[in-house]
Amino acid sequence: EVQILESGGDLVQPGGSLRLSCAASGFTFNTYEMSWVRQAPGKGLEWVSTISGSSDKTYYADSVKGRFTISRDNSRNTLYLQMNSLRAEDTALYYCAKGSACDYWGQGTVVTVSS
Amino acid sequence: DVVMTQSPLSLPVTLGQPASISCRSSQSLVYSGGNTYLNWFLQRPGQSPRRLIYMVSKRDSGVPDRFSGSGSGTDFTLKISRVEAEDVGIYYCMQATHWPRTFGQGTRVEIK
Repeated sequence: EVQILESGGDLVQPGGSLRLSCAASGFTFNTYEMSWVRQAPGKGLEWVSTISGSSDKTYYADSVKGRFTISRDNSRNTLYLQMNSLRAEDTALYYCAKGSACDYWGQGTVVTVSS
Repeated sequence: DVVMTQSPLSLPVTLGQPASISCRSSQSLVYSGGNTYLNWFLQRPGQSPRRLIYMVSKRDSGVPDRFSGSGSGTDFTLKISRVEAEDVGIYYCMQATHWPRTFGQGTRVEIK
């Protein structure tokens, strides 16, 4: 059974940093792309970033490019999202999803950027 | 970026009746290999999204056969043959052909 569990969400001040983690199990982690998708309060889904299985390719939404970094540790079956220079508009529920077509999703972790 | 446009944005339906949601893309979603990477998701109230359909018309495991996807190129449709109470929520289309990936605005399905 595929299981995905995000963690690391918190309240952070504008300009601050945060690292999200996503622990995955139930599939061969290193053979799949992994993605982050976010949902601002009361809004729709916004794709954030995707990383290839071997980490050789990364993709970012323009809204986070240069501020966020996606990475993974295949030995730990864990995906990360390092978020720097956070802005109020980054406030959202951040989901981790399997693949770039998002066939399985976690429950999400909440990031609030506010002073 | 590929813009995904869904309609309608709100869809009141009667239990047992069919429902249909349209999704149009600003560019063709046909990938160089010939496949089309158009997905449909359902987000029930208070839950994470769940993928229902991938590659236009393939149902994910466990998805009831009352859900079907169709379309090609830039024009796609999700159909529910007979709406049940558990189908209430917001439906999103998403293209996985081009970078960046993009979602439609969402269609809220509710029971009349």
